Amino acid sequence: AQKVTQAQTEISVVEKEDVTLDCVYETRDTTYYLFWYKQPPSGELVFLIRRNSFDEQNEISGRYSWNFQKSTSSFNFTITASQVVDSAVYFCALSDTTGANSKLTFGKGITLSVRP
Amino acid sequence: GAGVSQTPSNKVTEKGKYVELRCDPISGHTALYWYRQSLGQGPEFLIYFQGTGAADDSGLPNDRFFAVRPEGSVSTLKIQRTERGDSAVYLCASSPSGGYGNTIYFGEGSWLTVV
Repeated sequence: AQKVTQAQTEISVVEKEDVTLDCVYETRDTTYYLFWYKQPPSGELVFLIRRNSFDEQNEISGRYSWNFQKSTSSFNFTITASQVVDSAVYFCALSDTTGANSKLTFGKGITLSVRP
Repeated sequence: GAGVSQTPSNKVTEKGKYVELRCDPISGHTALYWYRQSLGQGPEFLIYFQGTGAADDSGLPNDRFFAVRPEGSVSTLKIQRTERGDSAVYLCASSPSGGYGNTIYFGEGSWLTVV
């Protein structure tokens, strides 16, 4: 069965610090997708990134970067030079071929607080 | 609309009452999902629609929960005989198609409180 573990529950940093959010996943599939979502206080889950299991290249988008390591089943997310607006709950999620749809299995989320 | 729209944003109801939560997906998206998020937890899958039909309802917790999507666009999640344990945020989401690996876009959720 698929499972996503976000061992960190709360992280607090001072603005401009770098911060890494960890994600470890379990799946029996060789083909799967991994996602990160951001949930600000408004409650809406905002899509950040989708990664195919065949693509292990790291990705950078502005201050955000993602490190996908298939060997350790991890998909970690780093925010460089954090800002107060980055304060939110961040979820890692997995979609594999279990079932016939894009159903996502989420981790419990990491609450990130960025202090001025 | 530009994003997934959900109404009401907040609902307080008494134990035992019936509740309906509405979702308007992104225009043109054929796949629609309902998730439930309890405090301090990640969203949990409830049901998936492809067009008008419920293709996967394996996440519905019991027969008090039901959802419809009669015209393949707007969906309504219906909860009968509400219980205090039903209190949660109910998130609706949509994607262009229901195929495996598609990105799913979420609404802001309907906060349900059962007192």
